[in-house]
Amino acid sequence: DAGVIQSPRHEVTEMGQEVTLRCKPISGHDYLFWYRQTMMRGLELLIYFNNNVPIDDSGMPEDRFSAKMPNASFSTLKIQPSEPRDSAVYFCASSWWGGPGVGEQYFGPGTRLTVT
Amino acid sequence: AQSVTQLGSHVSVSEGALVLLRCNYSSSVPPYLFWYVQYPNQGLQLLLKYTTGATLVKGINGFEAEFKKSETSFHLTKPSAHMSDAAEYFCAVSERGGATNKLIFGTGTLLAVQP
Repeated sequence: DAGVIQSPRHEVTEMGQEVTLRCKPISGHDYLFWYRQTMMRGLELLIYFNNNVPIDDSGMPEDRFSAKMPNASFSTLKIQPSEPRDSAVYFCASSWWGGPGVGEQYFGPGTRLTVT
Repeated sequence: AQSVTQLGSHVSVSEGALVLLRCNYSSSVPPYLFWYVQYPNQGLQLLLKYTTGATLVKGINGFEAEFKKSETSFHLTKPSAHMSDAAEYFCAVSERGGATNKLIFGTGTLLAVQP
């Protein structure tokens, strides 16, 4: 398996622009997680899905952030409008509940977002 | 609610020395515990995990961790540090003992290895 795939790997945008981050989880995984990592705040869970349904979005910082999972193989995290404080590395992770690797999350390489 | 505390945000060791990274957890149910490693500019990668059974768990790259219920600890060790071990290490506990696959992460420990 190719692992969790994220695109783009790097994104530089201007304040006020819309940003869309994409994630393809590992085939067969039924959980998908979006995290944000910064020096100041560390690793933060933004939202997670189970079987394509959002379960907990309490970590989404504000209404400018939205996430969707239209099918089992694709998810997006959108920021509209973007602000400089959104600059961070965004990770997607997936996992499979109930298997031998219960709880084990597989992380993508991340998208480094810079908002100027 | 589950929580994780990692003592020491920065740890520095000499090459060849023992590595000890500390992790204490709080859980109202039997925990599933994990250590992840993050190399520069990469995502997190699983080092090892404890779910049930043997309390001494061996992982990749010579790391191991011991689950001590009485101490609510899951410290990570490696007998001899290598330069390539320089990375950030995260301890995590599974929410509600694995009822979901959500992980509660510690704040991380940055390991530096001096030549």
